[in-house]
Amino acid sequence: GAVVSQHPSRVICKSGTSVKIECRSLDFQATTMFWYRQFPKQSLMLMATSNEGSKATYEQGVEKDKFLINHASLTLSTLTVTSAHPEDSSFYICSASLRQGSGYTFGSGTRLTVV
Amino acid sequence: SQQGEEDPQALSIQEGENATMNCSYKTSINNLQWYRQNSGRGLVHLILIRSNEREKHSGRLRVTLDTSKKSSSLLITASRAADTASYFCATAPSNSGYALNFGKGTSLLVTP
Repeated sequence: GAVVSQHPSRVICKSGTSVKIECRSLDFQATTMFWYRQFPKQSLMLMATSNEGSKATYEQGVEKDKFLINHASLTLSTLTVTSAHPEDSSFYICSASLRQGSGYTFGSGTRLTVV
Repeated sequence: SQQGEEDPQALSIQEGENATMNCSYKTSINNLQWYRQNSGRGLVHLILIRSNEREKHSGRLRVTLDTSKKSSSLLITASRAADTASYFCATAPSNSGYALNFGKGTSLLVTP
């Protein structure tokens, strides 16, 4: 089945630094990947849609200059949280789908803590 | 953007009992999906029901979909302690790309 690998699973960084999160589709090609953010005991909020070879599409209220998304290949999308602040601390999850209309595969998530 | 609402927000039952969770949504959909999330982990896809389907089964899971009421239910029969997790419904809108919109989730606790 479709497998999505997300790395790192946990990261602690200092305020003002940048953190890169990787999302890889291991056994399929994903022209589109999705990045979500989840606060404790809350649902997943779509941040952006990552498109291979083109610019990401960001949801309203998500700062594209702060959350940089790069989808340089059909198997890799990265999310970089730039100049991180404590309020950026959250659980970030990526997902991809084999094809439209099928179930989605999610990465295992990244717990970001900014101190 | 989030459009689903699930109820109950939290559900506590004993092993062997059935657990029913409901989900409502607002826009037209292509399909509705249910996911499970263990604490601090990623999501696991459980079942997908298309807009032209009314009921679907998978093992101990039974999902219904009522597009006229824009609602769905997930039934877990003969629950086990290992079923303890959060359950989310997610819709794939028919008028946009295929990003999923998630409901708020139901936190299920199954006690031995």
